[in-house]
Amino acid sequence: RKEVEQDPGPFNVPEGATVAFNCTYSNSASQSFFWYRQDCRKEPKLLMSVYSSGNEDGRFTAQLNRASQYISLLIRDSKLSDSATYLCVVSFMDSNYQLIWGAGTKLIIKP
Amino acid sequence: SQTIHQWPATLVQPVGSPLSLECTVEGTSNPNLYWYRQAAGRGLQLLFYSVGIGQISSEVPQNLSASRPQDRQFILSSKKLLLSDSGFYLCAWSEGMIGNTIYFGEGSWLTVV
Repeated sequence: RKEVEQDPGPFNVPEGATVAFNCTYSNSASQSFFWYRQDCRKEPKLLMSVYSSGNEDGRFTAQLNRASQYISLLIRDSKLSDSATYLCVVSFMDSNYQLIWGAGTKLIIKP
Repeated sequence: SQTIHQWPATLVQPVGSPLSLECTVEGTSNPNLYWYRQAAGRGLQLLFYSVGIGQISSEVPQNLSASRPQDRQFILSSKKLLLSDSGFYLCAWSEGMIGNTIYFGEGSWLTVV
């Protein structure tokens, strides 16, 4: 079983809509959580860290549910420029805290 | 501010040829350095990481090797490439503890033919 799982999508969403992704992780000994964004044929870039209490950055909201072992990303008022692949990342204590990456969820925002 | 660069950006190499990808970081001291590979439809796979000069940890057995000759320089090498080595290679750095946020270079697209 993969340690970090994401729905690969693609999610086809009209501009202005709200979209949510979930990411599940298999190991309760988790430490850090992140969402990265990756544009086609480019390097991943940090979108936001995910804190236990949840956090918001403009149109983006991240939530952590340790009991159910998932993190979520909510994008409100989506823009065409939000089209990208969103990568979920978790570090686990028993993997020497190395970051374990999901395969990503592809989002396509349509005009 | 910190910057990271890796090169070359793209390369096409024949099977059995050697490989050298180079990465440098500026604006920080004693960073943790990483080499990742990304295959289509799969998550990033950690190949090597280094917490200091001359300290290399390998995560996946393969025909690749890594070296850190200077504090902010990380090199990925192979003596003989395989077709399966094709992919997107990413150098990255972080500060402090392993598990902190990492930042990537622009990536190198390798096609082995």
